Amino acid sequence: QVQLVQSGAEVKKPGSSVKVSCKASGGSFSSYDINWVRQAPGQGLEWLGSIIPMFGTTNYAQRFQGRVTINADESTSTAYMELSSLRSEDTAIYYCARLSRHLGGSFDMWGQGTEVIVSS
Amino acid sequence: DIQMTQSPSSLSASVGDRVSLTCRASQSISSYLSWYQRKPGKAPKLLIHDASSLQSGVPSRFSGSGSGTDFTLTISSLQPEDFATYYCQQSFSPPWTFGQGTRVEIK
Repeated sequence: QVQLVQSGAEVKKPGSSVKVSCKASGGSFSSYDINWVRQAPGQGLEWLGSIIPMFGTTNYAQRFQGRVTINADESTSTAYMELSSLRSEDTAIYYCARLSRHLGGSFDMWGQGTEVIVSS
Repeated sequence: DIQMTQSPSSLSASVGDRVSLTCRASQSISSYLSWYQRKPGKAPKLLIHDASSLQSGVPSRFSGSGSGTDFTLTISSLQPEDFATYYCQQSFSPPWTFGQGTRVEIK
């Protein structure tokens, strides 16, 4: 049974950075298309970017370009999302999710979510 | 970016009701449309992919239809565990975008 397990909640100061991890157990991590999605309080779901560890290829949402970095460590089957220059609007629950090409590009597996609070 | 618009934003219904939720894309996305259910404190759960294909393990009371720009998620007989927020998502072209959600509440 493939699972995605994320790191714990974070409280950060404005202007700082946060790095969230997403560890995969079971399955072939390297071939996964790992995506990061967030949900701010009272808001909808928002895609930040993705990585395919096997190729090291990343894709970022334009509005987060320059602030988000996604990478992966194949040896530990872990993906990371780092968001810099944090502001209060970045307070949200951050999810990693696997995109499945054979299910039409849907996100068929999700981590449990990591709450990030940005507050002075 | 492709904008996804869901309606209504919320609805109240009773157990046993048939409910239909709508999602509209700002341009044609063929059938690259998925539906998710999200309950408080939980990650989203995939219900429907490719506009009308039921994800493995999802009850058959859920169904999806549509193509192009207009899509519908139907719950044929609402159950107590179905009260949640539902989101659509397009996978036609990046950035992948979601609708704002429809909250299904108990009447």
